[in-house]
Amino acid sequence: AQKVTQAQTEISVVEKEDVTLDCVYETRDTTYYLFWYKQPPSGELVFLIRRNSFDEQNEISGRYSWNFQKSTSSFNFTITASQVVDSAVYFCALETSGGYQKVTFGTGTKLQVIP
Amino acid sequence: EAQVTQNPRYLITVTGKKLTVTCSQNMNHEYMSWYRQDPGLGLRQIYYSMNVEVTDKGDVPEGYKVSRKEKRNFPLILESPSPNQTSLYFCASSLSLASYEQYFGPGTRLTVT
Repeated sequence: AQKVTQAQTEISVVEKEDVTLDCVYETRDTTYYLFWYKQPPSGELVFLIRRNSFDEQNEISGRYSWNFQKSTSSFNFTITASQVVDSAVYFCALETSGGYQKVTFGTGTKLQVIP
Repeated sequence: EAQVTQNPRYLITVTGKKLTVTCSQNMNHEYMSWYRQDPGLGLRQIYYSMNVEVTDKGDVPEGYKVSRKEKRNFPLILESPSPNQTSLYFCASSLSLASYEQYFGPGTRLTVT
């Protein structure tokens, strides 16, 4: 069975602060994919990043960065210099390639950026 | 414009009255999936399809049916809806296999009374 844990239910930060959203996953497969999605207040789900289990390089995209550590089964997401537009629910997801294609999402972290 | 569409966007119905939520994508994607989103539970996968005529259960398939007769369409059927199926439903598609990023529809808010 696979599992994704986002222990932070809600986080509030003041604009321009940095914030890290945690994601811990469980799987027995050696090949898997991790994702982050954003759900702004308007409700749509937007893809942010995909990472496969063989690529542990950290990634930076503008103010967003992701830290993938297989040793701790974590795939954390950091927003630098947060902005009000970053206010959203963020979901971490896991897909394992063990012959079936189920996707497991975490319960999400609601981020509120206060101006 | 590349997109996933769902209809209806909002639906209020009564227990036991069969309903279908349609999902269509125009990106020639092979993989399609249905999720429900409930407060505190995140998104949970109901059913997925890897291609035409190939469907499989996700984590919460009870009370739902799907079909994939055409590549672009993946309807979700509730044969006898119950109040515990009140939820926000999302359809999604990806190029092939779930290991690619998924494109989500706008969501369908279903209330079963």
